[in-house]
Formats: sequence, C-alpha cells, structure tokens
Amino acid sequence: EAAVTQSPRNKVAVTGGKVTLSCNQTNNHNNMYWYRQDTGHGLRLIHYSYGAGSTEKGDIPDGYKASRPSQENFSLILELATPSQTSVYFCASGPGTSSQNTLYFGAGTRLSVL
Amino acid sequence: GDKVKQSPSALSLQEGTNSALRCNFSIAATTVQWFLQNPRGSLINLFYLVPGTKENGRLKSTFNSKESYSTLHIRDAQLEDSGTYFCAAEAPQGGRALIFGTGTTVSVSP
Repeated sequence: EAAVTQSPRNKVAVTGGKVTLSCNQTNNHNNMYWYRQDTGHGLRLIHYSYGAGSTEKGDIPDGYKASRPSQENFSLILELATPSQTSVYFCASGPGTSSQNTLYFGAGTRLSVL
Repeated sequence: GDKVKQSPSALSLQEGTNSALRCNFSIAATTVQWFLQNPRGSLINLFYLVPGTKENGRLKSTFNSKESYSTLHIRDAQLEDSGTYFCAAEAPQGGRALIFGTGTTVSVSP
C-alpha cells in the first residue's frame, strides 16, 4: 500500500502570513498532486508535478506555489494566506508513467486562515 | 465540478439493501477511479477502471467510455459502507491528474 504523509495535520494561520504544507511519499512515484476540498466542490487540483524539479499549474493555482525538491517531497506554499484559502488540503501520488495511475492520498491538512 | 457530475448527492440506505451511484462525464475520460471518504476524512481507493467492469466483494463498478458514464453498485449495504463516495476521471491531458465529482454521501442505517 502506498504511503503518503502530510504535515502538519492542522494549521491555523493569520491573513497575510506564509504557510507551507508538506507532503512525503515513500513509493518512488513520479507524479504528485495537491488538491483542496471544499463543501459543494469536491476536490479541485491546485498544482501537480511529474518529478523532482517539475511543477505544473492545475485548475485553481492562483495564490499558491508548489515545490518538488526531490522525488519524495512536494510542498504547497501560500505566500500571503487569505481567509478564502481556508480548506482541507490533500496531497496524492501516482506512478504516472505506468498504465495504471492509481492515486494514493494523504490524510489531509486542515488549514484555517483567520 | 461540471466536468464530472455525480448523482444522487445523498443517499439513505437500510442495511441489506442495494443501490447504485452514477457519474456522467462531459470530458473525454480515459480512466475512472472511485474513492470512499470515510468519517475520519481519509480517501480510500476503491476501483481503478479502464472501460469495462470490476467487482470487489459487495461493490461493483462499470465504466462506459463511449456513453461517458460510470456506475458504482453497492450490494447488501452494511453500516461500514457509510461515507462519501467520489468518482474521478482522468482526462487525456494534465499530468494524468484526476477531475473529481462533488460526491455522493451515503448513510446506511440498521
């Protein structure tokens, strides 16, 4: 079973502050993804990555940056957090190149921006 | 979202009954995945589907790419089946990312 670990699990931030959400996967998957989940919207894709050094914009990238310094780690960065970014954030990884790109999700990070 | 429409949005079942959830796609989905989000919030992968049908215990799922839909059948519903079920479609572009529906919340009662 793929292991994806997110930290922190919960975070309270102030408006205008910088927030970094971290994700680590131990399965040598090429692709990693950041989603946010809000009531009525399901999960929406923020950024994704094909491998170390790669970051790509998803469907809702505004206000977010991403960093993939290594195969295992993928961070989501909110340079100037706003209350509209209060949400639950999920990281996922998947093989990418294989024929079956099953995605495995972390447990989520609940972020509140006050 | 609009690209992946799930129905119904909520479902109440009695233990032992059967039901079906559906997703309709307005994109050219190549594969479909179904997830269960449990009450703790964890997303559990149930099925990965290319066009065709898969079965796992009391769950059965079909993906029809020509008619752009997928279904998840729950047979003999149990209390532990409660949670929110999401379908997600993989579109041809975009890092093989998944586009999610808004979910079906299933409540199973005794």
